[in-house]
Amino acid sequence: DAGITQSPRHKVTETGTPVTLRCHQTENHRYMYWYRQDPGHGLRLIHYSYGVKDTDKGEVSDGYSVSRSKTEDFLLTLESATSSQTSVYFCAISGRVFSYEQYFGPGTRLTVT
Amino acid sequence: AQKVTQAQTEISVVEKEDVTLDCVYETRDTTYYLFWYKQPPSGELVFLIRRNSFDEQNEISGRYSWNFQKSTSSFNFTITASQVVDSAVYFCALRMPNAGGTSYGKLTFGQGTILTVHP
Repeated sequence: DAGITQSPRHKVTETGTPVTLRCHQTENHRYMYWYRQDPGHGLRLIHYSYGVKDTDKGEVSDGYSVSRSKTEDFLLTLESATSSQTSVYFCAISGRVFSYEQYFGPGTRLTVT
Repeated sequence: AQKVTQAQTEISVVEKEDVTLDCVYETRDTTYYLFWYKQPPSGELVFLIRRNSFDEQNEISGRYSWNFQKSTSSFNFTITASQVVDSAVYFCALRMPNAGGTSYGKLTFGQGTILTVHP
């Protein structure tokens, strides 16, 4: 199994508070991704990173920011959490941008009350 | 734009039945990759297979087989002699090449098919 961990695994927070989710990998992979999973939508890309300090937006990036200061860590921040951001968040890594499959972390279940 | 459609929202079978999960994709590119992932009740996403657009050879892995047909833009997944442990949500996904720096390996997922295998 790919070495990917996510923390926290579960979090309940209040509307309006900032939240940071962490993805940590031990595979030294260049590419990292944050997805959210919601019923009826499959998984949708929030942000991705193609190297240290190199990040870009995905299809549902509003209300989220990311940072990657080290190869192994990719942080997702909800600047001011809203109830619509209640979801399961998955981090993924890939050794190559195109041909290689992405391996996913265990997920973080976030509830915004 | 790319799109993946898994028209079957839920499938219910009895153990030992064969079951096919459908996946239809849309893309204007000639180069792309297709994937299947399994999400068991425990929640993790497990990679099952990758197929590139140049290789239409079908693949079999134990009880699992995949049928890729470019002519119909389909990449269907068959489980033979299903077992209770096959109960999961199955996702088909499409991956495009880097398009002007805006899609670094982004996976486009279908909505998933919930498979329930009853004993």
